[in-house]
Amino acid sequence: IVLTQSPGTLSLSPGERATLSCRASQSMSSSSLAWYQQIPGQAPRLLIYGTSTRATGIPDRFSGSGSGTDFTLTISRLEPEDFAVYYCQQDGSSVTFGGGTKVEIK
Amino acid sequence: QVQLVQSGAEVKKPGASVKISCKASAYSFSNYYMNWVRQAPGQGLEWMGIINPNGGGTSYAQKFHGRVTVTRDTSTSTVYMEMTSLTYEDTAVYYCAEGGSMSWGPFRSWGQGTLVTVSS
Repeated sequence: IVLTQSPGTLSLSPGERATLSCRASQSMSSSSLAWYQQIPGQAPRLLIYGTSTRATGIPDRFSGSGSGTDFTLTISRLEPEDFAVYYCQQDGSSVTFGGGTKVEIK
Repeated sequence: QVQLVQSGAEVKKPGASVKISCKASAYSFSNYYMNWVRQAPGQGLEWMGIINPNGGGTSYAQKFHGRVTVTRDTSTSTVYMEMTSLTYEDTAVYYCAEGGSMSWGPFRSWGQGTLVTVSS
């Protein structure tokens, strides 16, 4: 399954809402979709799994939704520490990652 | 917080092999799938392969089949990733990542990463 993320870069200000898209090349189970955050120089961190379940310690400004081939990560109000690169991942058919969306400060 | 501790940075010549280690807790080692993911400079994440905690069976991304081998040492709770026939394009940070107990993912815990530089 190929995952396509859009946009490639999102330029926003702190306090704004971020909406990140992940589109799968074929329909997949919602239990197999996860989102990760990566800050430069650090390992990725699991944010969301099973499309919409927040991982331990992840604040509730992060939410996930979607089904079939279209999935979304929403950050309701951007904090300074949220400016990073975000990846979606599926593990229902082998494992693949999307190409990433960079959320940068406008 | 589960801790995965990887071996240190490596510098290799083209055509050489590299073997990276990832030490987990005994519980994690015995109960969770362990994955390897790499990230080339400025690029995204690329899944390489996985080892099953029950019996040590492995599976690899097609791109790496035949060139990457994931093994484990049950006596030390350590997982290894060996890559042969290195090229400049294999310069990357390599991560181990703990998957699920009943599924390959999600990847709840990651090692700190090991930089492999391929240079003549």
